[in-house]
Amino acid sequence: LAKTTQPISMDSYEGQEVNITCSHNNIATNDYITWYQQFPSQGPRFIIQGYKTKVTNEVASLFIPADRKSSTLSLPRVSLSDTAVYYCLVGDHPDTGRRALTFGSGTRLQVQP
Amino acid sequence: EAGVTQFPSHSVIEKGQTVTLRCDPISGHDNLYWYRRVMGKEIKFLLHFVKESKQDESGMPNNRFLAERTGGTYSTLKVQPAELEDSGVYFCASSQYGSSGYTFGSGTRLTVV
Repeated sequence: LAKTTQPISMDSYEGQEVNITCSHNNIATNDYITWYQQFPSQGPRFIIQGYKTKVTNEVASLFIPADRKSSTLSLPRVSLSDTAVYYCLVGDHPDTGRRALTFGSGTRLQVQP
Repeated sequence: EAGVTQFPSHSVIEKGQTVTLRCDPISGHDNLYWYRRVMGKEIKFLLHFVKESKQDESGMPNNRFLAERTGGTYSTLKVQPAELEDSGVYFCASSQYGSSGYTFGSGTRLTVV
């Protein structure tokens, strides 16, 4: 499974846009890129998934360049409640091979008032 | 739609005792996974069920851990006998083919004293 690298921590202020970049140099052709959010005392929560270019939902946007060796999670106008750990994972495919996820250390986002 | 439910939320047992964790996946989800995070470490995969069959149990640490999913519905994870290093948070997740992401439960915090 492809290994991911992302910043250990990030700080932001309410109302700002936050971009968290993840590197996954050895991503496989069939691998999707998925981001999860985790609050203390809770399990990870699915945020967004994509394969290439740009994906947007009501929570975030995911930007994936053509070579797919990295991806950027964009959180528009963060609030205090967005303070959490964000994980970038590769390897899941929604239609086939729903195999084990490999979690890294994640990025701890701290949003200040 | 009910989410993934785990029981108990917390468990404190003595070394050498037995503990059974339960996970109720989202109804209709064929894929069920167990993960755990031990103190200060990353979330690690334990095993994956497809319906009642073990698809991948490569993450199970040793034979003191036994997972079952009779009838392909809920799953149990038994630790017998428990050791101090088994302390951590055990997460269950479920997914279905064709849908994005995995849904995690809130976890069971196991403390072995």
